Amino acid sequence: AQKVTQAQTEISVVEKEDVTLDCVYETRDTTYYLFWYKQPPSGELVFLIRRNSFDEQNEISGRYSWNFQKSTSSFNFTITASQVVDSAVYFCALLMFSGGYNKLIFGAGTRLAVHP
Amino acid sequence: NAGVTQTPKFQVLKTGQSMTLQCAQDMNHEYMSWYRQDPGMGLRLIHYSVGAGITDQGEVPNGYNVSRSTTEDFPLRLLSAAPSQTSVYFCASSYSRVTGELFFGEGSRLTVL
Repeated sequence: AQKVTQAQTEISVVEKEDVTLDCVYETRDTTYYLFWYKQPPSGELVFLIRRNSFDEQNEISGRYSWNFQKSTSSFNFTITASQVVDSAVYFCALLMFSGGYNKLIFGAGTRLAVHP
Repeated sequence: NAGVTQTPKFQVLKTGQSMTLQCAQDMNHEYMSWYRQDPGMGLRLIHYSVGAGITDQGEVPNGYNVSRSTTEDFPLRLLSAAPSQTSVYFCASSYSRVTGELFFGEGSRLTVL
């Protein structure tokens, strides 16, 4: 079965701390894509990153970095030197190939609160 | 740029009432979908469309209907609202069936009393 688990329901940190959001996935596909989306308090969903199963290189974008490890089926997201503006719900998602349309399976989300 | 536009943003219904959530996109995307977001459950796919005239069911389709008469519009209809349909609804579009990079609307918060 295709499944995404985000075990951390809520995380609270103080500004400038580093924080890692965990994501564990299950799939039988050999080719798949993983995603992170951000949902700030305003409610919209913002695409952060897509990673395919053949590319295990870590990705860094400013203060954001992603660690993809197929051996542990994990795709973790780290925010370095967190800021109040990082406060949001973060969703990890797995793209499931399903005939005519590839469907995103979302984890339950991790709510990150960054305090000044 | 408008992107994906959903209306209304908020709605309160009584059990048994019907309503339509509107979704329009101006990016000429073929692929559109509706998700619902519930606490602790992430987003779940309700219905999707791979082009005008073509729709299919997602994970949680019961109680909802969709149609896709144009590329731009993908309305979601609640036929007889139930309290279990209290949720936040998101419409999304995508330029590719492969990429999975979805462009979301701002969401519609629906309360069914």
